[in-house]
Order: sequence, then structure tokens, then C-alpha cells
Amino acid sequence: DVKVTQSSRYLVKRTGEKVFLECVQDMDHENMFWYRQDPGLGLRLIYFSYDVKMKEKGDIPEGYSVSREKKERFSLILESASTNQTSMYLCASSPGVFNEKLFFGSGTQLSVL
Amino acid sequence: DQQVKQNSPSLSVQEGRISILNCDYTNSMFDYFLWYKKYPAEGPTFLISISSIKDKNEDGRFTVFLNKSAKHLSLHIVPSQPGDSAVYFCAASSDYSGNTPLVFGKGTRLSVIA
Repeated sequence: DVKVTQSSRYLVKRTGEKVFLECVQDMDHENMFWYRQDPGLGLRLIYFSYDVKMKEKGDIPEGYSVSREKKERFSLILESASTNQTSMYLCASSPGVFNEKLFFGSGTQLSVL
Repeated sequence: DQQVKQNSPSLSVQEGRISILNCDYTNSMFDYFLWYKKYPAEGPTFLISISSIKDKNEDGRFTVFLNKSAKHLSLHIVPSQPGDSAVYFCAASSDYSGNTPLVFGKGTRLSVIA
């Protein structure tokens, strides 16, 4: 089974802190994604990557950056956390084409106080 | 502009009856559609998909219907079970070759009452 692992289930941070969310997949997938899920807003794409060191902006990239130095690892960075970034963050991976089914991690619930 | 719309935020169905979850889309270039299911505190999991060359795809209790002229798809669950209680997301792709990410709807929360 494909496993997508997110480093933390729950995180509490202060406004202005730099926050790192880590995601690792074990199936040699080409593509990796970061989404956030908010009540009433569904799943919104923040950033995605289709290859090592490659990144593309999704629908809501403002306030975020990403890093993909190795194929299996995709990190989401909040440069200066704000309260409106309190959310459930979901990492996903997929094989060579984007519309293959995505495999999601269990999510990180981030609270910014 | 929301390209994939799930207009019902929630739905309650009795155990054993049919659940019908609806999804509308506006982009006529969408040609591949997927449904994902999400339990609380877990990531979404793939449920079923359909390409635009078909109008129906069935997998056990789950059937997805696609009406391209109406830009509408629906997920039928028969019979509904309490374990089906979850949030269901509709997703669409405009590139069957797979060069663009999926677009998700906002989700519908299904509650199956025993």
C-alpha cells in the first residue's frame, strides 16, 4: 500500500513563527501536492510539484512556500504564520499523471494563535 | 469562480436506502471525474472515477453517473450503511493525459442513520 506520512497530526504555533510541515511518500511517485481543508471551502490546492526541485503554484499560494529536494519528500513552509492559516493541511502524492488517483496523508491540524 | 460545485453541504439518509450525492461542473473541458471519501481526522481516499467517454461506472455498492450535456455527475450508494457516513468530494480534471491537477468541490457530508 502507498503510504504518505505527515510528520505531525497536531501543531500549535504562534503568530509570526516560521512553520515547517513535512510529508514523505514511499511509492516513488512523481507528483506531490499540498492542500488545505477548511469548513465550507473544501480542498484548496496550495502548491504542487511534478519533479524534484520543481514546484508550481496552486490556487492559494500566498503566504506559503515549498521545498522538494528529494523525490520522496515535499515540505510546506509558512514563512510567518498568521491566524488565517489555521487549518487542516493535507499532503498527497500521485504517479506520473495528475489525474491518477491521489493518495493522501492523514493531515496536520495547525492552529496559529 | 467555482468550477466544481457540490450544492448540498449535507445529506441524511436512513440505513438501507439509496444515497445520491450530486456534483455540477462548469468547465466543458473537464473529461475525467473522481469521487473521494473523507472520514474525520483522516486523509481523503479514492472511491470511484469515470471518464467522459462513459456515462456510468459501477463498483459494488457505488455507481457514478455522468451527464455531459448537463455537466452533472452523481454518486449513488445502494444500500447505504452507517460506515458510509463521511464527507464526499467530487473532483475533475481537464486533461485526461494528466498534466493539470484535479479541481475539487467543497464536499457533501453524508450521514447514514441506523
